[in-house]
Amino acid sequence: KNQVEQSPQSLIILEGKNCTLQCNYTVSPFSNLRWYKQDTGRGPVSLTIMTFSENTKSNGRYTATLDADTKQSSLHITASQLSDSASYICVVSGGSYIPTFGRGTSLIVHP
Amino acid sequence: EAGVTQFPSHSVIEKGQTVTLRCDPISGHDNLYWYRRVMGKEIKFLLHFVKESKQDESGMPNNRFLAERTGGTYSTLKVQPAELEDSGVYFCASSQARVWEQYFGPGTRLTVT
Repeated sequence: KNQVEQSPQSLIILEGKNCTLQCNYTVSPFSNLRWYKQDTGRGPVSLTIMTFSENTKSNGRYTATLDADTKQSSLHITASQLSDSASYICVVSGGSYIPTFGRGTSLIVHP
Repeated sequence: EAGVTQFPSHSVIEKGQTVTLRCDPISGHDNLYWYRRVMGKEIKFLLHFVKESKQDESGMPNNRFLAERTGGTYSTLKVQPAELEDSGVYFCASSQARVWEQYFGPGTRLTVT
């Protein structure tokens, strides 16, 4: 069964600090992995998309890594801002394009 | 460029009633998807349209759910009759040729009482 597990479930950090969110998946075969940011009351917005051959991708202060051998990904947020408070969702697609979503990590950035 | 829009943003209905959710994709996007997030769970795929045709509806929970996309533009998702377990947030997304580059709408929060 395809699954995506994210950790931690929730995280509280101070503004300006860095943090790393984790994603482990069992989706096989693997096609791509996406990280989304979802603000409260809004739909998910794509941050990064990585395929099998990519092991790192950046989008501003967001850097995603992918280890396809261990089936792990991480999302690193540098110099956090209050606007980074949101849910971060890891999504993995396999042989079919139907994506498998993680439950997300809820990040709260305090001033 | 307008994003994906969904209507209504929130709907509260009683068990046994009918509700119709609407999604307007980004103009020119042939692919349209419906997803649902039940409280405490992950977002799950419901179905996929390519233009007006259902490409994959393997995620639809049962025959109380009916999705249409007349003319390949906007889509509706009807729940009839609604049950308590249908409560959740229903997201719509659209994409062009690359199906994994999906743009999500804000969702419709459905509450069945």
